Order: sequence, then C-alpha cells, then structure tokens
Amino acid sequence: GQQLNQSPQSMFIQEGEDVSMNCTSSSIFNTWLWYKQDPGEGPVLLIALYKAGELTSNGRLTAQFGITRKDSFLNISASIPSDVGIYFCAGLNNNDMRFGAGTRLTVKP
Amino acid sequence: NAGVTQTPKFQVLKTGQSMTLQCAQDMNHEYMSWYRQDPGMGLRLIHYSVGAGITDQGEVPNGYNVSRSTTEDFPLRLLSAAPSQTSVYFCASKDDRGNSPLHFGNGTRLTVT
Repeated sequence: GQQLNQSPQSMFIQEGEDVSMNCTSSSIFNTWLWYKQDPGEGPVLLIALYKAGELTSNGRLTAQFGITRKDSFLNISASIPSDVGIYFCAGLNNNDMRFGAGTRLTVKP
Repeated sequence: NAGVTQTPKFQVLKTGQSMTLQCAQDMNHEYMSWYRQDPGMGLRLIHYSVGAGITDQGEVPNGYNVSRSTTEDFPLRLLSAAPSQTSVYFCASKDDRGNSPLHFGNGTRLTVT
C-alpha cells in the first residue's frame, strides 16, 4: 500500500529552535493525524485534523491540513529536550490509514 | 483505563518456532489492527478487524494469522518464525467512527534468530 512522503527524515536542532516537518501524498485524505513515538513506546496522538485548511494548535505544536487534502505540516515552536522522538504523519479515509516513514528529532541542550 | 495492552514486551524466537502476540483493549473499540515497524519503513499494516468474527489482510499478511473471537482481544500468531519477521509489532484500535484516530499499544520487540 502507498505510504506518505514525510520529510525531513531526521533533524538535529538546538534547544529553543523552531521545527517544521511535512507530509505529502498523491491521494486525498479526509483526516490527517500527527503522532509522536518515544523510545520503547507506541505512537501517541498529538493532533488530529478533520477539515481542509484547518489549522490546529496543541501547546507549542501547530499542524495544518493542506487545502488540497494531499498534505499536512507540523510545527514545533521553542523546542525543549523532551521533544526528542520520532514524529509520524498519517492520512486516514474511514478505516484506511497510511503512515509516513517518520521524522527523527534530536534536540541538543 | 489501560487502553491497548500488548504482551510480551520482548521475545526472542528461533527460526521455525511459533508464538502468539497478545493484544487487548478496554475501550470497546470495534476496529483493531496489527502493524510492524521496521527502520526507515514506517508502520505497515499486517491484519485488521472491524469487529468480532471479522478479520482481513493488510499490506504484509504473509506468515501471520489473526482471530477475533471477542471485541477486546486480537491476537497475532506467527506460524513459523523467520528472521525477516524480526521487527517491532504494534497493536492499535479505534472506534467505528470512520475518521477517529488509532490508539496504539506499547509494542512487542521480536527477534528471530
């Protein structure tokens, strides 16, 4: 099955910097989701987006559902060490969910 | 509220052995699924179930069996383990609203030698 194109694959940033990552697809999705995975644990939902053009925030995290319904981005502002982990995007149509390969974020204190 | 519970957390098998990975959820979710996670490949769907008594294949079903006799449980069985099945396995569930998100367990790390 087709996976999503997520970039960048990895990021090394300084504490306090802002981070941006995105996901694109050749298919339209009705829902975009962003998950974070800490080492040794399962992905945890950060933000869910349900409408094209929707911009949603969760603390320092902001995500947008692209107007074409084929893309989404996630921004993290003023990064802190606990932001370290792997971030996954997911596109969802009913029960059909496709994942990006993940963005591995490293934050240097 | 435990959410999605997977056991065991770690497992080492020899080639040819069989085993069952357990998954249980206490959220009364109709939809349950199994994924494997390999480096650089994201999450790939193995099998899924939309309700008790109903299962279907995902993207990478070969070498795996599932059953869904109750709403709560969705075990994944490896019939004859192979080194290519070394991976981290995640069980996930969601309610039956079409675009509700998946809730994941904490994974089972399987090594096949």
